Amino acid sequence: SQTIHQWPATLVQPVGSPLSLECTVEGTSNPNLYWYRQAAGRGLQLLFYSVGIGQISSEVPQNLSASRPQDRQFILSSKKLLLSDSGFYLCAWSPLAGVDTGELFFGEGSRLTVL
Amino acid sequence: GENVEQHPSTLSVQEGDSAVIKCTYSDSASNYFPWYKQELGKGPQLIIDIRSNVGEKKDQRIAVTLNKTAKHFSLHITETQPEDSAVYFCAASNQAGTALIFGKGTTLSVSS
Repeated sequence: SQTIHQWPATLVQPVGSPLSLECTVEGTSNPNLYWYRQAAGRGLQLLFYSVGIGQISSEVPQNLSASRPQDRQFILSSKKLLLSDSGFYLCAWSPLAGVDTGELFFGEGSRLTVL
Repeated sequence: GENVEQHPSTLSVQEGDSAVIKCTYSDSASNYFPWYKQELGKGPQLIIDIRSNVGEKKDQRIAVTLNKTAKHFSLHITETQPEDSAVYFCAASNQAGTALIFGKGTTLSVSS
C-alpha cells in the first residue's frame, strides 16, 4: 500500500532563518506531488505541484521554493523565513494521470511557527 | 485560474439534525469535485467526490449534489453525530486536471 511521510512534524524558526520540509511517498511510482499551506482563515492554499522529476509549477508568488530531486521526494524550502510563513504545511500525492482520476492523499502535516 | 468559495465558515447543529455546506467555483472546465474532512492536527481525508457527468451521489449519511450550469455543489450530511465534528473542505480540479483548488473550509460542530 501507498504511504506518505512528511517531516518534521513541528518546527519553530526565527525570522530570516532557512527552511527545509521534506516529503516522501512509498508504494507508488510517478506520483503527482503537492505542497499546500493551511493558515487561519485561508483554507488550503496550493503552493506548488509537480508532475515529474525537476518539474515544478508555482501557484502563489512568495519567498518559498520547491524541488523534486527524486521521483517520490518533494522538498519545500526557503532561504529567509518571514513571519507570514507560519502555518500548517501539507504534502500530498495523487496518481500521475491527474487528480480527477482519484483522490488526493495527504500527509500528516508540518506545523511551522516563525518567531 | 480556478476560484472556490465555500459557505458557511462555521456551522453548529444538534445531533440528529442535517448539515449542508455549499461551494461555488469559477472555472467551467473543472470536472472533479471532492469533499475532504480534516480532524484536528491531521491531514484532510476524502469523504466523497463527484464528477461533472453526475448530478448527485450518495454514500450512507453523506450526499453531494452538483449543478454545472450554476457552477455550485453541496455536501449534505444527515443524522449528524458528534464524530462528524471536523473541518470540511470542498475542492475543484484545475483546468489541466493536475491540481485541486480548495475552499476555505467549514468548521462543523455537532452537539449531543
